[in-house]
Amino acid sequence: DQQVKQNSPSLSVQEGRISILNCDYTNSMFDYFLWYKKYPAEGPTFLISISSIKDKNEDGRFTVFLNKSAKHLSLHIVPSQPGDSAVYFCAAIMNYGQNFVFGPGTRLSVLP
Amino acid sequence: KAGVTQTPRYLIKTRGQQVTLSCSPISGHRSVSWYQQTPGQGLQFLFEYFSETQRNKGNFPGRFSGRQFSNSRSEMNVSTLELGDSALYLCASSLTGGVDEQFFGPGTRLTVL
Repeated sequence: DQQVKQNSPSLSVQEGRISILNCDYTNSMFDYFLWYKKYPAEGPTFLISISSIKDKNEDGRFTVFLNKSAKHLSLHIVPSQPGDSAVYFCAAIMNYGQNFVFGPGTRLSVLP
Repeated sequence: KAGVTQTPRYLIKTRGQQVTLSCSPISGHRSVSWYQQTPGQGLQFLFEYFSETQRNKGNFPGRFSGRQFSNSRSEMNVSTLELGDSALYLCASSLTGGVDEQFFGPGTRLTVL
């Protein structure tokens, strides 16, 4: 039973537009969430994170929103660039521990 | 600063064999975590080592084991390989674990025939 879900396996967006990647979780004990980006043949790289005490965190073109009541978070990329084309993983941690639970990933394609 | 390195990058084994994968963390990082990535299951946490001790463990059978050395380098061992063990195995290091930023290696692609 997946505790972290990314229901869209893929997403295509035009360059310059907004990309919105969604993530849902089932365990209300998760208290820290992260987004990773992964290119083929490379390990994931950390993008942005958010603590459960916040509802928004912004870093340049990347913003993560957290809706605790809905157990939902989203990653917004504005504006989207072709170099953003990658697989994006949502991850959650419980009790600020070390067991990262990852979602299955969403493949983002930004079309020029 | 050198990144996380994993060796070998590619490995082909047959069912029943055992395999050892190696991970060298970023210098100064004491936490090393291992993950299995498969198309169907995504990234799944295997275990985390800190100061030569396994600190956390995911939901994998006992055939999957690991260790960490005093220089923080870590090895992962899989015994009695099964076809379903074919996956990309990723290692990640961080300073102390927890919410510290994790840096991933490029992974070892294991194919079990």
